[in-house]
Amino acid sequence: EAGVVQSPRYKIIEKKQPVAFWCNPISGHNTLYWYRQNLGQGPELLIRYENEEAVDDSQLPKDRFSAERLKGVDSTLKIQPAELGDSAVYLCASSIRQVSDTQYFGPGTRLTVL
Amino acid sequence: GENVEQHPSTLSVQEGDSAVIKCTYSDSASNYFPWYKQELGKRPQLIIDIRSNVGEKKDQRIAVTLNKTAKHFSLHITETQPEDSAVYFCAAGPFGNEKLTFGTGTRLTIIP
Repeated sequence: EAGVVQSPRYKIIEKKQPVAFWCNPISGHNTLYWYRQNLGQGPELLIRYENEEAVDDSQLPKDRFSAERLKGVDSTLKIQPAELGDSAVYLCASSIRQVSDTQYFGPGTRLTVL
Repeated sequence: GENVEQHPSTLSVQEGDSAVIKCTYSDSASNYFPWYKQELGKRPQLIIDIRSNVGEKKDQRIAVTLNKTAKHFSLHITETQPEDSAVYFCAAGPFGNEKLTFGTGTRLTIIP
């Protein structure tokens, strides 16, 4: 079974530039999560999707961050414009809530904002 | 919201000895407590989890204990091996895994 796929793995941009991250969850997983992990910290939830619906986006900085999950499968997280403080690893995870609590993480995208 | 504290932040253990990592949580509504292992530059991977209706769970060399009254849970690794070296994160969340709050991590180093 393929795991959660994310791309790109690394991204370096200058501040004020836009950036987008892509996530393909495990097949059949209806719940998708985006986390941000700062250096030396645990992951922090940004947004959670149930199918195509964003059911928890309370931690998403909506002035510059946006996300979508069209058709309830792949998801894209966008930052526009990026700030220096956005440098972090952005992790995507997926799960089947009706079956298990287990969240499976992708490898993450390491963003560096210069 | 939930607040999870994790200790220690770093832990060095002689190979073959046991390692214990402790977490406390604040929200009594939390009833799902997973532990993730993250090797350098890699994705977090679930190693063991426990629900609030169970006090202890074991899987080979790994065990987790939960004290709901005191709101703390611990990860125990016995007979440690070099491949156990990694950062370990605890987390707590409500039923249905709607939202996990993670601890700040423990960097475990196994000394050969």
